[in-house]
This record gives sequence, structure tokens and C-alpha cells, in this order.
Amino acid sequence: RKEVEQDPGPFNVPEGATVAFNCTYSNSASQSFFWYRQDCRKEPKLLMSVYSSGNEDGRFTAQLNRASQYISLLIRDSKLSDSATYLCVVNLRNAGNMLTFGGGTRLMVKP
Amino acid sequence: GAGVSQTPSNKVTEKGKYVELRCDPISGHTALYWYRQSLGQGPEFLIYFQGTGAADDSGLPNDRFFAVRPEGSVSTLKIQRTERGDSAVYLCASSRGLAFPDTQYFGPGTRLTVL
Repeated sequence: RKEVEQDPGPFNVPEGATVAFNCTYSNSASQSFFWYRQDCRKEPKLLMSVYSSGNEDGRFTAQLNRASQYISLLIRDSKLSDSATYLCVVNLRNAGNMLTFGGGTRLMVKP
Repeated sequence: GAGVSQTPSNKVTEKGKYVELRCDPISGHTALYWYRQSLGQGPEFLIYFQGTGAADDSGLPNDRFFAVRPEGSVSTLKIQRTERGDSAVYLCASSRGLAFPDTQYFGPGTRLTVL
């Protein structure tokens, strides 16, 4: 079983739609959580950190459920420019600062 | 300011050859990481440096892989006797090395192809 699991997609949605991605992680000792965005043939870039209280950044909302070991990302009013792969990432306190990535969920926003 | 840079951007080599991949971290970042990303997968951790020393090399797949960071800045990932399965994008990241957690910034990667 992978440490961080995501539905690979692709999710094909029209512009303006709301789309949600989910992710589960296996290690209950995980301490911090992130969503990274990766465009085709580019490096991953931090989209947002994820906190237990939930957090919002513009059209993006991230939620963490520690009891269920579940992380979500909601994108409202999708734009063509949101098309990318979204990587769910966790960090273990006792593993230095190495990041453990899910396989990514691909989003395609269509006009 | 300048981000993480990696050279070369692409490297094609033959099976059995030796390759070196270079990473220049963001100036002042004490922590440096190497990851490997195969097609359709997320990046996988290889090794982590804090300053000059390898704080965690548990992700290196075997003893053909080695990395150094002699002056605590530039790092080189070295792969001996390359195999076709080594083909991937090798990503470097750096961070300030502050107390956990600490945002990592990625370079554009080196795409290695082993023929």
C-alpha cells in the first residue's frame, strides 16, 4: 500500500465548475500536510499548506481530517489555468524534513 | 531572487555509463533534497542534506547512487553503472532549514534517459 494515495484522474471539468480532490495517508505520525501543483514537464510548486482547522486561499480550500487520515482540496470557479496535476504531500516529523508525495491527480479544465 | 537551478536539463546516456547531476540551491538555504520522479508518479525522496552532511540517505535505491555537498551549497548526485530503470526526472529542492516544517522549493529537474 502506498503511503499517500490519490485518485489519478483525469478529472475533466468545464470552466466555472467546482471540483474536489481527496487523498489518504497511511502513517498516523504524519505531522504536516500540503498540496503542490505540477504543470506538465515542470517542477512541483507549493499551492497551500493544510491545517486541521481547514484553510482557504481565494478559490482554493483545503481540509484535513486526522482521525480519518484524509486530506481534501476544493477548487471553486475553475479556470483553464487550473489545469495541472495536484500532488498531495505529507511530512513526518521523525523523517527529517523529507516529503512523501502521492501519485497526483490530473485536472483538465475545458472551455 | 534566483531559484533552485539544475544542470543539465536533459541527459541521455548509455547503459553502464556514469552520470553526474548538479543542483544549485537558493542562496542561504541550508537544507537540500534530491527526489526522483518517474513518469506518471509523484516524486520519491532520495537524500537530504543539512549543511554538508547527509542527514538522511534512506531513499537512495542502491549503492550505485551517491550524493555530495562538500561546501554546504552546490550538490552533485552521482549514478554509477546506469541502468534503464534509472530513467526519470531528478528533482532537487532546497529550504531554509528552519525548525520543522519548512517550505521546500524545487528546481526544474534533470531529465535522465538511459538507453
